[in-house]
Order: sequence, then structure tokens, then C-alpha cells
Amino acid sequence: EVQLVESGGGLVQPGGSLRLSCAASGFTFSSYWMSWVRQAPGKGLEWVANIKQDGSEKYYVDSVKGRFTISRDNAKNSLYLQMNSLRAEDTAVYYCARERGSVAGTGGWFDPWGQGTLVTVSS
Amino acid sequence: QLVLTQSPSASASLGASVKLTCTLSSGHSSYAIAWHQQQPEKGPRYLMKLNSDGSHSKGDGIPDRFSGSSSGAERYLTISSLQSEDEADYYCQTWGTGIRVFGTGTKVTVL
Repeated sequence: EVQLVESGGGLVQPGGSLRLSCAASGFTFSSYWMSWVRQAPGKGLEWVANIKQDGSEKYYVDSVKGRFTISRDNAKNSLYLQMNSLRAEDTAVYYCARERGSVAGTGGWFDPWGQGTLVTVSS
Repeated sequence: QLVLTQSPSASASLGASVKLTCTLSSGHSSYAIAWHQQQPEKGPRYLMKLNSDGSHSKGDGIPDRFSGSSSGAERYLTISSLQSEDEADYYCQTWGTGIRVFGTGTKVTVL
């Protein structure tokens, strides 16, 4: 069974840092693009960042550029999101998602999703 | 700019059908999209990938009641024989080089 399990969420003060992790199982992790997607309370889904299979390409939504860093460890089947200089507007449930693409090796849509981890930025 | 537009809400009676619309921004009418379902207090679930020609591929275990179709820049999700568990938020999503985009979501209410 393909499974994604996020961890690392919690309460952090504005300006603080947090590192999220996503443990993948049931598929060849190193063959897929991976993404982080977030959802603020009562709001819609927002893509945050993604990373290519070998980590050579990374992309971010403008609002997190320079503050968040996505990374992966294919030996540990794990995806990470280092979040620095956190703001109140970063408060959200953060989901890890595997990407699938129309052509082998490319990304595109999200399937499956993890269950999410809540990040609360507040003093 | 790659943008997806969805109506905020839709409703239909138990056992009836509902058709949701996702509209691609100008210049992007050939793009494929994906539909995702988010039931209350749960994480999203992939429903299907939908191409511009209306062909689609559903996720594992997605009932036949869910189907997709396309016309121009519009992508549709039809839910037939509505069940109570279909009450959820539905998001369309598309992609380009270095970008992934969601629509604002449509909340489906089963009457």
C-alpha cells in the first residue's frame, strides 16, 4: 500500500523555525517528484514546493521563497520541509503528496496525499 | 497566468446528479487537470486526471459514479447517484513547469 506519513508539526512563535518530515512507503520513492501542499484553517489548498527525483530541481510558491527549503533523502524514503522565519499566515495543515506525470519521470498531479500535519504560528 | 476558476458551491438531492465546472484561464485551454475530493476533517483524495479531449483516468477505488468530461477550456466532474459521503469539497488542479495550481474549490451539499 502506498503511504505518506507527515510529522513535525506544532506550535511555533513568529520568526521561528520548524522542520516537517514525510515518510514514504509502498512505492519506489526515488522515482517520483514530491510536493508539499498546505491548507490554512477554513481555506483552500495551496501548493508550497516540489522537488525532482534526484533533488536537482526545486520550485516554490512566491510567498515562501527564501524562507522554506524542500529536500529529500532517497535512501531514507523521506521528504522534508525546512521552514524558517515563520509568519502567522503560514499557519496551516501541511500535506505531503506524491506527484504523477503523463510522461514517466515527470510530475503534475497529486496522488496520493498524506494525512497532514498542523503547523500553528502564534505568540 | 495559469488560473483555475470554480464555483464556490453546488447542491443536489440524494440519488441525483451534480456537475462541477473548472475553467482554465485564457491561453491554457489544452491543459489537463486533476480532480481531488476532500471530505470534512479529512485530507484530500485524488479522484481522476482529466485530459482536454475528455479522456480520464481515475484513482484506485474511485466509484463509477464519478466521471469527467471536457469542452474547450472547461473541465467537468459529474457525480451521479449522489451519496451522503459525496458531501465534500472538490478541487481541480493543474500544472506547468515549476508550478502547481489549485482552483478555489466547490463545496457540494447533498440535500
